[in-house]
Amino acid sequence: RKEVEQDPGPFNVPEGATVAFNCTYSNSASQSFFWYRQDCRKEPKLLMSVYSSGNEDGRFTAQLNRASQYISLLIRDSKLSDSATYLCVVPNTGGFKTIFGAGTRLFVKA
Amino acid sequence: GAVVSQHPSWVICKSGTSVKIECRSLDFQATTMFWYRQFPKQSLMLMATSNEGSKATYEQGVEKDKFLINHASLTLSTLTVTSAHPEDSSFYICSARDRVAYEQYFGPGTRLTVT
Repeated sequence: RKEVEQDPGPFNVPEGATVAFNCTYSNSASQSFFWYRQDCRKEPKLLMSVYSSGNEDGRFTAQLNRASQYISLLIRDSKLSDSATYLCVVPNTGGFKTIFGAGTRLFVKA
Repeated sequence: GAVVSQHPSWVICKSGTSVKIECRSLDFQATTMFWYRQFPKQSLMLMATSNEGSKATYEQGVEKDKFLINHASLTLSTLTVTSAHPEDSSFYICSARDRVAYEQYFGPGTRLTVT
């Protein structure tokens, strides 16, 4: 099993739609999780951090399920500008290195 | 927010030459810096982790003699791609971890093309 796995996508949704991505991780000892957003040919930018059960920031909600070892990212009222690749990130035990998922591509259409 | 710079932002070199990429944390001290490589339509792959003043730890499959990493100060790490080949063409991104805040910040990336 890969250390971090994500929905492959791409997700094609209309503006205003609600879309959710899942990310599973193998290290049960992981304590913190992150969602990054990456635009084409740009560096990743931190979107949300998840340390406990979840986090919410405006239209974005991240939820953590430790029992099933997955985190999810929910985007409500999708905007055209939300089109990007969303990367799930899980630091390894001790946080010495950061493991990225393969990313989920999202296309929001007018 | 914290800023990490990379130089150059893009470089084209001939096969067999060496290329050095610099990564600087501009407004914080970074005890740990990470180097990633990203091929088209793929995710970031961690190449190595470097701690200031010590040897870098390379991921499995990454040749340490080919990808030389130096982390001589708390604000600068360099990656040198030696004897570059076309298959080394990729997007190289560095990341620096703030010594105090423990947040990780990414540089803008360097696009390397080897002809």
